[in-house]
Parts: sequence; C-alpha cells; structure tokens
Amino acid sequence: SQTIHQWPATLVQPVGSPLSLECTVEGTSNPNLYWYRQAAGRGLQLLFYSVGIGQISSEVPQNLSASRPQDRQFILSSKKLLLSDSGFYLCAWSGQGSPTEAFFGQGTRLTVV
Amino acid sequence: SQKIEQNSEALNIQEGKTATLTCNYTNYSPAYLQWYRQDPGRGPVFLLLIRENEKEKRKERLKVTFDTTLKQSLFHITASQPADSATYLCALTNTGFQKLVFGTGTRLLVSP
Repeated sequence: SQTIHQWPATLVQPVGSPLSLECTVEGTSNPNLYWYRQAAGRGLQLLFYSVGIGQISSEVPQNLSASRPQDRQFILSSKKLLLSDSGFYLCAWSGQGSPTEAFFGQGTRLTVV
Repeated sequence: SQKIEQNSEALNIQEGKTATLTCNYTNYSPAYLQWYRQDPGRGPVFLLLIRENEKEKRKERLKVTFDTTLKQSLFHITASQPADSATYLCALTNTGFQKLVFGTGTRLLVSP
C-alpha cells in the first residue's frame, strides 16, 4: 500500500534561518507531488507541484523553493525564513493520468520567531 | 483571476439534519471536482470525486452535485452526526489531472 511521510511534525526556526522540509512517498511510482501551506483558520494554498523528477511548477512567488531530486521525494526549502512563512505545511501525492484522490502527509507546523 | 470560494462562516446544524455546503468557482474550467474533510491539525482526507459530465454523486450519507453552468458544487451530509463536525474543502483539477487547487473551506459544527 502507498504511504507518505513528511517530517518534522513541528519546527520552530528564527527569522533568517534556512529551511528544509522533506516528503517521501512509498508504494507508488511517478506520482504528482504537491506542497501546500495553510495559515491558521484558512484554506490550503498551493505552493508547488511536480509531475516528474526535476519538474517543478511554482504557484505563488515567495521566499520558498521546491526540488524533486528523486521520483518519490519532494523537498521544500528556503534560504532565509520570514515571519510570514509561519504556517502548516502539507505535502501530498496523487496518481498521474487519471482523476484520483490526493493523499496527504501529517503536516509540519512551522513557527518562525 | 481564478477563485474557489466556500462560505467562510461556520455552519451550525442540529444532529439528524442535512448539512449543505457550497463551493463556487470563477475563471476555471475544471475537469473534475473533489471534496475533502479536514480535522484540526491533520491533513485533508478525500471524500468524493465528481467529473464535469456528472450531475450528482452519492456515497453513503454524502451527496455531491456539480453544475458547470452555474460553476457551483453542493455537498450534502444527510442525517448529520456530531462526528461529522470538521472543515470541508472542495478542490478542482485541470484536464491534465495535475494541478490540484483547494477552496477556502467551510467549518461544519453538528450539535447533539
């Protein structure tokens, strides 16, 4: 069966520090991968999505970047965090080529102080 | 610009009643629409998917309608229970089934 791992669950980082959040998927190949951010009491904002290794689509210009070095690995990064980067970050995957549901990781609660 | 709008105010209903949530979109031509449930501090969980050529879809106590003319989807929970209390999000996908964009979500509170 397919599983998605996202870590860490919580993170407190100072302003100006770097960020690296990792997400890995098991039990499937060539998935669509997504990074979302959710502010408190708000909906999910799509940050990046990827349909294959090295293929990243950015939805919102911001202080973040994403990379997909392997088929089932998706990384969200920042060189210098801002206070406004605080939020709940969610990684998700879906199958390609047909309408399928998305499966989400447990999420990372990031607080920039 | 593209928008997916759901009622930002919480919906309060009594146990046993039918809850109806609305999802409206503009400047989209989605291939299909999905509904998810999200509990606090957790990732969303898939509930139902409906294609653009389908008018209605049912699963147990859940029903979804999809009107591409009105650019609207309605999500119904019949015989609601306190355990149905959560935030419900709609999501749209383009024809290539790649980009998945979510609405703002509506919080449902079911009172005993």
